[in-house]
Amino acid sequence: KQEVTQIPAALSVPEGENLVLNCSFTDSAIYNLQWFRQDPGKGLTSLLLIQSSQREQTSGRLNASLDKSSGRSTLYIAASQPGDSATYLCAVVRAGSYQLTFGKGTKLSVIP
Amino acid sequence: GAVVSQHPSWVICKSGTSVKIECRSLDFQATTMFWYRQFPKQSLMLMATSNEGSKATYEQGVEKDKFLINHASLTLSTLTVTSAHPEDSSFYICSAGLDNHGYTFGSGTRLTVV
Repeated sequence: KQEVTQIPAALSVPEGENLVLNCSFTDSAIYNLQWFRQDPGKGLTSLLLIQSSQREQTSGRLNASLDKSSGRSTLYIAASQPGDSATYLCAVVRAGSYQLTFGKGTKLSVIP
Repeated sequence: GAVVSQHPSWVICKSGTSVKIECRSLDFQATTMFWYRQFPKQSLMLMATSNEGSKATYEQGVEKDKFLINHASLTLSTLTVTSAHPEDSSFYICSAGLDNHGYTFGSGTRLTVV
């Protein structure tokens, strides 16, 4: 059974800092990995999708990496802003499946 | 980009009544949609997979007679919480997948049963 772990559970940083969120998964046979953002009481917004054959994806100040063999992914946020405050969720799709398995998320607070 | 619209955003209902939540794919056709439930400070739990024109597939422990799913068209899936009770109060989110583009989610529905 696939298990996804996100560390840390919560993170507070001053505005302008660069930060890294971590995601690990137990079964390396994945189809893809997706990072989401969730604001309180809202749905999920997709940030980045990394296919199993890719090593990283970038969008603006966000960069996500994938090391499938070690079961790890990181989300790097550059020059953090208060508007980045949210819960960030990592999810994987197991190869041969269509189901997403989510981590519990990292709650990020960027202090002005 | 692909958009999934979910309504209502929030609903309050009396215990014993039924509530319907709609999930629409606005600019694409979704043969499969997914329904999740999220408890406070917890991650998303997959409840069921909704398949257009056929019966939904429920995850273990999810009561299919309580959570009725209908996927009558390629752009609409509905979740009906029947005979709702306070323990059904939760945040419900739907999603749809796009080949090679990952999954897109609705904005969620906050259900409160009083």
